[in-house]
Amino acid sequence: KAGVTQTPRYLIKTRGQQVTLSCSPISGHRSVSWYQQTPGQGLQFLFEYFSETQRNKGNFPGRFSGRQFSNSRSEMNVSTLELGDSALYLCASSLYGTEKETQYFGPGTRLLVL
Amino acid sequence: AQKITQTQPGMFVQEKEAVTLDCTYDTSDQSYGLFWYKQPSSGEMIFLIYQGSYDEQNATEGRYSLNFQKARKSANLVISASQLGDSAMYFCAMRESGGSNYKLTFGKGTLLTVNP
Repeated sequence: KAGVTQTPRYLIKTRGQQVTLSCSPISGHRSVSWYQQTPGQGLQFLFEYFSETQRNKGNFPGRFSGRQFSNSRSEMNVSTLELGDSALYLCASSLYGTEKETQYFGPGTRLLVL
Repeated sequence: AQKITQTQPGMFVQEKEAVTLDCTYDTSDQSYGLFWYKQPSSGEMIFLIYQGSYDEQNATEGRYSLNFQKARKSANLVISASQLGDSAMYFCAMRESGGSNYKLTFGKGTLLTVNP
C-alpha cells in the first residue's frame, strides 16, 4: 500500500500571502489529522477530519483551516501568513481515528515564510 | 500539566548497546493508546511501536520493546543492539478516548545519538 503523501514538500511564501497544503491518506483510511512542528512549540495538533467532517480542532487562530474531500484527501489552508507560521506541517492518517489505531505520517511540508 | 513528559532531551549510546528512552504520561481515561515515533533529520515521522492501555503484555517490534508500567504511568522505549541508523529524534505520544479527542499528544522528544 502506498503511504501518506503530502504536496508540496517545500514551500517559500512571504508574509500576508496564503498557502494550501495537500495530503492524500493511505488507501482506505478515513481519518486525517494535521500537525504543526516548530523548534519552539514542538508538535502541535491542528485539526482532524473524518468523513469530510472536522471532529476536533487545536488551539490555532482562524487563519488555519482545513477540509476533507469525499475520497478522504485533505487540504489545509493558512491565510495571511505570519513569520511564525514557518514550520514543518505533518499530515497523518488512520482508519477511523480511534485510540487503538496507529496514525501513519506523511513526509511533511516545510513552509518558510519570509 | 503536561500530558506526555520526556525528561531526556538527549541521549548517547554506543553502537550495539541497548538504550532506554523515558516517557511518562498523564490521563484520566481508562482506554488510551501509547505510541513511539522516530523522526530522522529528513522530518518524516516513522511509527515504531504501540501499546494499548488494556494490553497486559509489553509490546515488542523487532529491536524495539515498550516497558509499560500502567500504575506508574510510564511507557519507556527500549532499543536493543543500537545501530548508527537509530540516531534520530524519538517522540512518545498518547491518544486518548475521552470526549472527541481524535488527536495525538506528543512529548518534546529525545535526541538519540549512536556512537560507533
